[in-house]
Amino acid sequence: AQSVTQPDIHITVSEGASLELRCNYSYGATPYLFWYVQSPGQGLQLLLKYFSGDTLVQGIKGFEAEFKRSQSSFNLRKPSVHWSDAAEYFCAVGELQTSYDKVIFGPGTSLSVIP
Amino acid sequence: NAGVTQTPKFRILKIGQSMTLQCTQDMNHNYMYWYRQDPGMGLKLIYYSVGAGITDKGEVPNGYNVSRSTTEDFPLRLELAAPSQTSVYFCASQSFPTGRGEAFFGQGTRLTVV
Repeated sequence: AQSVTQPDIHITVSEGASLELRCNYSYGATPYLFWYVQSPGQGLQLLLKYFSGDTLVQGIKGFEAEFKRSQSSFNLRKPSVHWSDAAEYFCAVGELQTSYDKVIFGPGTSLSVIP
Repeated sequence: NAGVTQTPKFRILKIGQSMTLQCTQDMNHNYMYWYRQDPGMGLKLIYYSVGAGITDKGEVPNGYNVSRSTTEDFPLRLELAAPSQTSVYFCASQSFPTGRGEAFFGQGTRLTVV
């Protein structure tokens, strides 16, 4: 069965430091991969997505992620974190079913930013 | 732009009560979803709809019902509330079924069953 793991439940970084959030998936074919961000009290917002092609994808708010098939990973990175990046981050893998998109979400990583 | 609107934002129910969580989208999306979010568990799909008049079960449908009489509205019904249904509920919609589309989420409904 398809699954998504995010090994880090909670990460704390200092403002201005670099960030990497880990995501590993289990999926037979080439997946569709997503990163979503959830600010406190808000719904989820798409940061970036990978469908095919270049394995390094750029997203909004200065985030990027790299798809590594050999490691079944899709880690999210940002070179310099801002205090406003404090939020919950979800990695997700999608697959086409016969009738709808099946999207499986990871458990999330909570990011705290120290001023 | 309104996007996906959920009401109410918060609700406390007593065991055995019923309620309807409302979800409306103004983007003319055919595909709509209801998820529940539990701490450390990510989001689990409850029900989905691929268009008006068409609904189907997701991963965790027990205790819930849905209807889709219009493209815009996708209400979620809890008939006999149980403590296990304490969660945050998110409605989402998207235009494409292929996984290529971005899902747009509402702000969520925090439900507590006591």
